[in-house]
Amino acid sequence: DAKTTQPTSMDCAEGRAANLPCNHSTISGNEYVYWYRQIHSQGPQYIIHGLKNNETNEMASLIITEDRKSSTLILPHATLRDTAVYYCIVFGNEKLTFGTGTRLTIIP
Amino acid sequence: DTEVTQTPKHLVMGMTNKKSLKCEQHMGHRAMYWYKQKAKKPPELMFVYSYEKLSINESVPSRFSPECPNSSLLNLHLHALQPEDSALYLCASSQVPSGYYNEQFFGPGTRLTVL
Repeated sequence: DAKTTQPTSMDCAEGRAANLPCNHSTISGNEYVYWYRQIHSQGPQYIIHGLKNNETNEMASLIITEDRKSSTLILPHATLRDTAVYYCIVFGNEKLTFGTGTRLTIIP
Repeated sequence: DTEVTQTPKHLVMGMTNKKSLKCEQHMGHRAMYWYKQKAKKPPELMFVYSYEKLSINESVPSRFSPECPNSSLLNLHLHALQPEDSALYLCASSQVPSGYYNEQFFGPGTRLTVL
């Protein structure tokens, strides 16, 4: 599976949109981009995924560039409960390989 | 019911003990997973069960022995563990093992301490 690169940490003010970038320049045509988050001491939680179109659900939006080499997860109105480690994962063959993720801290 | 349950929540064992971790889901998912997570590190895949058959073993030492008795249950049998095996063990399930519908639901984990 392709590797991903994410910033180690980010801060965002409460109520603002949090934009989390991810690079996945070696992604292949049949691989999906998945986002999970892990709040301290809990199991990871699925957020959203996509192949090449932008996606939106009740939690977030996923913007994938046309060449599919990068993506951005958008949390539209961040709350304190969104403080977590966010993992961008390229998924192909049954294996979800977590990178180091971005530690997002929401500031009151 | 969109929950994956894991028991026990915490486990302390000696290096000569034999213990088992249990995972259960009632979502009709046909893929189940074991992950290991050390402190301040991301989860690492250990095993994948697809339609109750072991499909992936990520070169896990034989002191960890997975078992999938039926489509709802997943066990991890532990024997002769080492202190470095202390970690959070996460179970997950998904509708199918690959493709579009691979949203994985994770349990809360079992925190294992090996003395």
